[in-house]
Amino acid sequence: DSGVTQTPKHLITATGQRVTLRCSPRSGDLSVYWYQQSLDQGLQFLIQYYNGEERAKGNILERFSAQQFPDLHSELNLSSLELGDSALYFCASSVGQGGLLSETQYFGPGTRLLVL
Amino acid sequence: KNEVEQSPQNLTAQEGEFITINCSYSVGISALHWLQQHPGGGIVSLFMLSSGKKKHGRLIATINIQEKHSSLHITASHPRDSAVYICAVLDNYGQNFVFGPGTRLSVLP
Repeated sequence: DSGVTQTPKHLITATGQRVTLRCSPRSGDLSVYWYQQSLDQGLQFLIQYYNGEERAKGNILERFSAQQFPDLHSELNLSSLELGDSALYFCASSVGQGGLLSETQYFGPGTRLLVL
Repeated sequence: KNEVEQSPQNLTAQEGEFITINCSYSVGISALHWLQQHPGGGIVSLFMLSSGKKKHGRLIATINIQEKHSSLHITASHPRDSAVYICAVLDNYGQNFVFGPGTRLSVLP
C-alpha cells in the first residue's frame, strides 16, 4: 500500500458526460501527479500540482482539467467524454516540488474509466 | 521512430536467471525513471537516474547519458518479479515525461 488513495476504483459512463476522479496523496506529500494509461497509447503524464499550484503540464487535453485543494487532495475533471478516453487514470504523490524526476513518486491504485 | 524504445518487448526467464531490460531514447533528457507495473495494475517507482548506476536489493539500474541508453538488471530473478517494466525520460524542458512501451517479464518457477 503506497498511501495514495484514489476514488472511485471503477467508473462507467457514456460519451459526452463529465466525471471527476479524486486523489488523496500520502500524508505530508505536497505534489500530486496525474497519468493516463490506455491500451493504444500506454502511459502518459497529464499534469503535476505542487501545494495547490500547477507545476508541470504534459499531454493533458483541453477537455480535461485538474486542481489541488488546500487539504492537498486533487481532482481530475474529464468532460465531453469520448470513447478514446477509456483508460486507467493514476495519480501519484511526492514530498516536494522537485520536478518530475527528482523525487520518488508513490502511485495510487488507479481509477478505471470506461466510456460507452 | 519512437522517442523511447525498450527491448525486449517480452521476456520469459527461469527463476534464478540474470535479466537485462534495455531502454534507448532519442530525446535529450536530464534524468530517467524506471517503473514496475504489477499484473494487477499497480505501479511502483523503482529508480530515478541522472548518471551512473543505482542498486536496490536485486535490482540494478545504469544509465549512459552520452549514448542515451539505460539498462535495468535483475539478479537471481524470482516469479514475483513478473511485471511490466517501463522506462520514462524527462524531456528537454523538464516539463513532460515520455514513456517507453514497456517490457513484459515473466519469471517461471
